[in-house]
Amino acid sequence: QVQLVESGGGVVRPGGSLRLSCAASGFNFNTYSMHWVRQAPGKGLEWVAFIRYDGAYPEYAVSVKGRFTVSRDNSKNTLYLQMNTLRPDDTALYYCSTLDWGRGFDYWGQGSLVTVSS
Amino acid sequence: QSVLTQPPSVSAAPGQKVTISCSGSSSNIGNNFVAWYQHLPGTAPKLLIYDNNKRPSGIPDRFSASKSGTSATLGITGLQTGDEADYYCATWDFSLSVGVFGGGTKVTVL
Repeated sequence: QVQLVESGGGVVRPGGSLRLSCAASGFNFNTYSMHWVRQAPGKGLEWVAFIRYDGAYPEYAVSVKGRFTVSRDNSKNTLYLQMNTLRPDDTALYYCSTLDWGRGFDYWGQGSLVTVSS
Repeated sequence: QSVLTQPPSVSAAPGQKVTISCSGSSSNIGNNFVAWYQHLPGTAPKLLIYDNNKRPSGIPDRFSASKSGTSATLGITGLQTGDEADYYCATWDFSLSVGVFGGGTKVTVL
């Protein structure tokens, strides 16, 4: 069965960096585009980043552009989110997902909590 | 503020029906697939609808959706206490080249 398992979250000081990983299994990872989505405490879902199945055409939310970098290693079936210059408003539960709104191939991880605090 | 506008909350008694609207523009809803999610904070969102009005296997037909122009609507009939959750519409915005979620609608069963 499809599984997405995030890791790498934790507590970091403002201005710091963190890298999230998302290990995928149960499907042909190298044929699916992937996304990161987050939910800050008490807030709604916020789309964060996209990367095409071949690692091309990364896209980012305005709120993270220039600070976050999405990448993938198809040989390891793993998605990454490098987060730099973190701010307190980046505090959120971060999910990786296949987000296939046209075909319904929609799977999510359990989330990885990132807390940015001094 | 999200580019997709949803009402903050809706409510109805058990067995009744609620509808949730999602208003966007020609750069998002008007020219792309719309999906709907049910979400309990701290858990993975659950896909209810994809491709505007299709239900994944296992989603009961109490959940239905439609799209017209730059707006979409989710309907829930035969409301149950287990339906209490936050509901989000989602799509891609071609103009901004970003994914977008609505602000979310909290459904309360009275």
